[in-house]
Amino acid sequence: SQQGEEDPQALSIQEGENATMNCSYKTSINNLQWYRQNSGRGLVHLILIRSNEREKHSGRLRVTLDTSKKSSSLLITASRAADTASYFCATDARGKLIFGQGTELSVKP
Amino acid sequence: EAQVTQNPRYLITVTGKKLTVTCSQNMNHEYMSWYRQDPGLGLRQIYYSMNVEVTDKGDVPEGYKVSRKEKRNFPLILESPSPNQTSLYFCASSLSTNEKLFFGSGTQLSVL
Repeated sequence: SQQGEEDPQALSIQEGENATMNCSYKTSINNLQWYRQNSGRGLVHLILIRSNEREKHSGRLRVTLDTSKKSSSLLITASRAADTASYFCATDARGKLIFGQGTELSVKP
Repeated sequence: EAQVTQNPRYLITVTGKKLTVTCSQNMNHEYMSWYRQDPGLGLRQIYYSMNVEVTDKGDVPEGYKVSRKEKRNFPLILESPSPNQTSLYFCASSLSTNEKLFFGSGTQLSVL
């Protein structure tokens, strides 16, 4: 069973707009991670937020974590065509890292 | 260069013919894992290993075997592949589940 679920499944925006993706999970976690995947290639780590953190930034990325709601969001500001990819959240559960089904982001020039 | 190396990149085989997908990491990572990725199903964990000689089932272990005899290698074995194992496979490693995962480039497997 999936621990993390991303929402929306697909998102299409114009270059320059912000993109927000959400992740919900079921059990308590030590950390939550976000990954990016370009078409069929290996996933690349974006950011890790620990359970005692509420917000984290990395360049144009902002991640929030609300452990009371068991949810996280990934915000990409000032999106670019090169941000077009699938984005996955991953949560640790009993020693395993479990991925959600991903959000497909399309950024149109 | 720190990396996870998976081979082969593409593999076409027939039902029942045993195959092995190799995975090697050069970062001295303790944690290694195999995932399969299918359209609409995201990444599903097949097996993982917390350390040498320690392996555990993930969510979809049926039809697969793994071994962890050395820290750097974590091969995935399909003893008798079937068409429902046609998928994109990824190996990944990290220091622990509390740290970021490094992924291999993937193996696209087709079982005819």
